[in-house]
Amino acid sequence: GESVGLHLPTLSVQEGDNSIINCAYSNSASDYFIWYKQESGKGPQFIIDIRSNMDKRQGQRVTVLLNKTVKHLSLQIAATQPGDSAVYFCAENRGLSGGSYIPTFGRGTSLIVHP
Amino acid sequence: SQTIHQWPATLVQPVGSPLSLECTVEGTSNPNLYWYRQAAGRGLQLLFYSVGIGQISSEVPQNLSASRPQDRQFILSSKKLLLSDSGFYLCAWAGVSGNTIYFGEGSWLTVV
Repeated sequence: GESVGLHLPTLSVQEGDNSIINCAYSNSASDYFIWYKQESGKGPQFIIDIRSNMDKRQGQRVTVLLNKTVKHLSLQIAATQPGDSAVYFCAENRGLSGGSYIPTFGRGTSLIVHP
Repeated sequence: SQTIHQWPATLVQPVGSPLSLECTVEGTSNPNLYWYRQAAGRGLQLLFYSVGIGQISSEVPQNLSASRPQDRQFILSSKKLLLSDSGFYLCAWAGVSGNTIYFGEGSWLTVV
């Protein structure tokens, strides 16, 4: 069936390096994608989103890239800090009648930042 | 601003006992409401969603049920818990036609 998945379950980086977290999706009809950050024992927090009519979107220290040709999504974190250590989820939105959406989440990637 | 509250934060329940997790949203009207479960080290599984009072959609067959007695209140229940019900339960909300959902802090359930 249609699914959203992540390539790497764990990513270890040194403080100050750039991090890239990847995500593959298979539902070509998805038109909205979101990245969430989940710290240990807490609920996921919204980081950044992107619509399917865009290839790139930038936030503060984060950039999301969307390659619709290969159905690939990535989250880039610049100058990674210890506070960035968390599990990162990508999600694609499934539309419902009436305009509501249901996000489908991938398994998550654990980012570990070493000082 | 909108806020979401979920409780209890942690609970340990014996097998066969009932369950009630509550979630309320403030600062918005007619939100879409969601219950997710997250097993240890795993992704987020959608259990139920609601687009209005009394309207509940179930995504997976299971030992749980959900209810929405008021516009901004969402309750997750079970009559008899199973060991497999253990996990991290997350309530979430989104605005009508909103693309992004926002999560509560979660409830840790351990069934023993």
